[in-house]
Formats: sequence, structure tokens, C-alpha cells
Amino acid sequence: DARVTQTPRHKVTEMGQEVTMRCQPILGHNTVFWYRQTMMQGLELLAYFRNRAPLDDSGMPKDRFSAEMPDATLATLKIQPSEPRDSAVYFCASGLPQGNFYEQYFGPGTRLTVT
Amino acid sequence: GDSVTQMEGPVTLSEEAFLTINCTYTATGYPSLFWYVQYPGEGLQLLLKATKADDKGSNKGFEATYRKETTSFHLEKGSVQVSDSAVYFCALSGDSNYQLIWGAGTKLIIKP
Repeated sequence: DARVTQTPRHKVTEMGQEVTMRCQPILGHNTVFWYRQTMMQGLELLAYFRNRAPLDDSGMPKDRFSAEMPDATLATLKIQPSEPRDSAVYFCASGLPQGNFYEQYFGPGTRLTVT
Repeated sequence: GDSVTQMEGPVTLSEEAFLTINCTYTATGYPSLFWYVQYPGEGLQLLLKATKADDKGSNKGFEATYRKETTSFHLEKGSVQVSDSAVYFCALSGDSNYQLIWGAGTKLIIKP
């Protein structure tokens, strides 16, 4: 049963520290999405990649967030420096095109707490 | 722009009750429509989908019919179980790109 994996599952860090979250998409999926979920804002799309190229990162604060896909089996989301308002659950999803949509498969998320 | 509106939660029901969670959308063209479910502490899972008008998506006893005339995609289940307690998200994928437009989510609580 193929699944998206994310590490770490939980991260507690102090303000100003660098945070790196990792995602392994389902083998063969050519698109990766990064989302942030908070109680106040709900689910927000931060960025997405197709064939490892960033297609849209307009949802991401550019000054402190960066997303990369160094190879087809790894996507990373980095926050430097982290701030308390970054506390959220970060989800990675992978998918394949199905006509005019992607059937997205979500990972279990990384719960980030910045103190 | 495209948007999705869901009924606010939480929705609290007793076991074996009938469930409806309303979802309406605004979109140009012919979007695809989805329901995702998020169980506590987990990521979202695709529950069902419909890609054209009058299509009915179904899975695990849940159903939703794509109604273009009313721009709706309401989620229904005839008899809910405690294990259905979760947050349910309605979403659409429009013609303009492949991104999903999400509703705010509806928390469902089923009491034994």
C-alpha cells in the first residue's frame, strides 16, 4: 500500500531556528504539493512542484520559506528563521494528473511548534 | 474566482442517524468536485469524487451527486457510525489549473 511519508512527525523548536521538513512522495507520482493547516486559516497551499520543477509558490512567505525537490523521491520545506506564527501542521501530498485534476494523496503531516 | 462553501460545524449526530453535509461552489467552466476526510491526527484522504454534472461519487457508504443546476455537491450517508467522526472537506478543481480549492471543513461528531 503506497503512502506519502513525512518526517519528522512532530517538531518543537525555538524562534529563530531553522526547520526542515521532508516528504517522500509515492513512487511514480510527478507532482508534489505542500500545505499548511491551522485552526484560523484552515488548509493553505504553499507550493507545488511538477516533475521536480516549482510551478507555484505564491502561497509561501518568500523571505523565510523555501521549498525544493532535489530528486524525485524527496521534497523539502525549509523555514529559516522560524517564528511562533509558523506553528501549524504541514502536509505534503503527491499525485498524478487525471484529466483536469490531480488525485492527491496526503502524508500524515508534520506538527510544528515554534516557541 | 473559484470558491467552495461548506456548512459550518460541528455537526453532532447519534449513531445510525442520516447525515447531510452541504457544499456549494462557484466556478467557471466544468470543475471536478471532491470530498476529503481527515481523521484525528492524520492527513486528508480522498473519500469520493465526481468529474462531470450528474455524476454520483460513492465510497464507504457515503454519496454525493454533482448538481450543476444548483452548484452543489452535498455529502450524504444513510446511517453514520462513531468511526465516521472526522473533519470533512469539500473541494473543487477548476479548468484554469490543477490546484484544489478547499472548503473550510466541517467537523462531524457521532455519539454512540
